Amino acid sequence: SQKIEQNSEALNIQEGKTATLTCNYTNYSPAYLQWYRQDPGRGPVFLLLIRENEKEKRKERLKVTFDTTLKQSLFHITASQPADSATYLCALAPGAGSYQLTFGKGTKLSVIP
Amino acid sequence: DADVTQTPRNRITKTGKRIMLECSQTKGHDRMYWYRQDPGLGLRLIYYSFDVKDINKGEISDGYSVSRQAQAKFSLSLESAIPNQTALYFCATSDKLVGYNEQFFGPGTRLTVL
Repeated sequence: SQKIEQNSEALNIQEGKTATLTCNYTNYSPAYLQWYRQDPGRGPVFLLLIRENEKEKRKERLKVTFDTTLKQSLFHITASQPADSATYLCALAPGAGSYQLTFGKGTKLSVIP
Repeated sequence: DADVTQTPRNRITKTGKRIMLECSQTKGHDRMYWYRQDPGLGLRLIYYSFDVKDINKGEISDGYSVSRQAQAKFSLSLESAIPNQTALYFCATSDKLVGYNEQFFGPGTRLTVL
């Protein structure tokens, strides 16, 4: 069966360190993978997209990698700040031409001052 | 995102009642979605619509129905609410002209079925 797994429900990290979140998938051939941020009581907000033929994408302090051989995406926040505390969701489109997204359950990141 | 609005924001209802959740958007997007979010289960797709006359079932459509009244409006109905439909419901939109389907979410409706 198809699965998307974000390996940690919660991650605590010291301010200033790099946070690394993992998203693994099985039985998918995604055309792209997205990362969203969700604050308590709010809807998810899109952060970054990476396509299947891209290895790495960056946006300010954010970096996403995509390894289709390992079936894994890593999401990094460098120089983390308490304001980065939120739940981060990965989402993928199951295949080329699919416009639905399937979401992982999320990782709750807490950045400790 | 203020461009996607949901009403009501909170609703408490009783088992067996019919309830409608409404979503409106000013983004001009053709595609609209309804999700529910439960602790430990994440976001799951209920229904989606790619155009006014297009309705598609998602992963968990049983017990729900939808109506796409106009490009900007997409309503979710629970015909006879049951307690396990207690959840946070999100509407989302995306632009068909953008190939990678970035989705824009509303603020959510917290529904409690007693």
